[in-house]
Amino acid sequence: DAGVIQSPRHEVTEMGQEVTLRCKPISGHDYLFWYRQTMMRGLELLIYFNNNVPIDDSGMPEDRFSAKMPNASFSTLKIQPSEPRDSAVYFCASSLRLAGGWGGTDTQYFGPGTRLTVL
Amino acid sequence: RKEVEQDPGPFNVPEGATVAFNCTYSNSASQSFFWYRQDCRKEPKLLMSVYSSGNEDGRFTAQLNRASQYISLLIRDSKLSDSATYLCVVNGPDAGNNRKLIWGLGTSLAVNP
Repeated sequence: DAGVIQSPRHEVTEMGQEVTLRCKPISGHDYLFWYRQTMMRGLELLIYFNNNVPIDDSGMPEDRFSAKMPNASFSTLKIQPSEPRDSAVYFCASSLRLAGGWGGTDTQYFGPGTRLTVL
Repeated sequence: RKEVEQDPGPFNVPEGATVAFNCTYSNSASQSFFWYRQDCRKEPKLLMSVYSSGNEDGRFTAQLNRASQYISLLIRDSKLSDSATYLCVVNGPDAGNNRKLIWGLGTSLAVNP
């Protein structure tokens, strides 16, 4: 079974450029999460979707960040314009259910991440 | 107080040692608790869920103390392959966000030969 797929794996861009990160969740998972990880702040939830609908985007830093999930097998996280402080590893994860489910259905499976560097 | 706090370490232990990590959480209404493992430059992966009665998986034992609001992870007979960062995860605050996971910054473990 393929796990969560993310692309690109690495992205180096210049300040002001648009960045688009892509994610394909595990087939059949109803929840999709976007996280950002830095040394200082650890793993932060940016937004999550349930059945393609954004449920909680309170973690999105500012209007420069946007996320979409046009169908059950694809999601994007876009940063426009990018800034050096956006440099981080961005993870996408999916799960069958939210935390509190039984039998491991709330386990979040992470993709390999996109390492973003904004110069 | 941070919502989830962990000692960042690093914990340096010899092979075969027993090591324990604690993690404290601030929301007394939290219901779900997990330990994830993250290898260097890799994604986090679930190590084990933490149940009220405590649970064990081979060399790993997880405990929950609701009164003091902490969870613990005990690793017995440490292996070199146990070297990683261990992330404590707790479901988040109420007001609509009760089931959002909050992640600790992680505890770094290095097992030495």
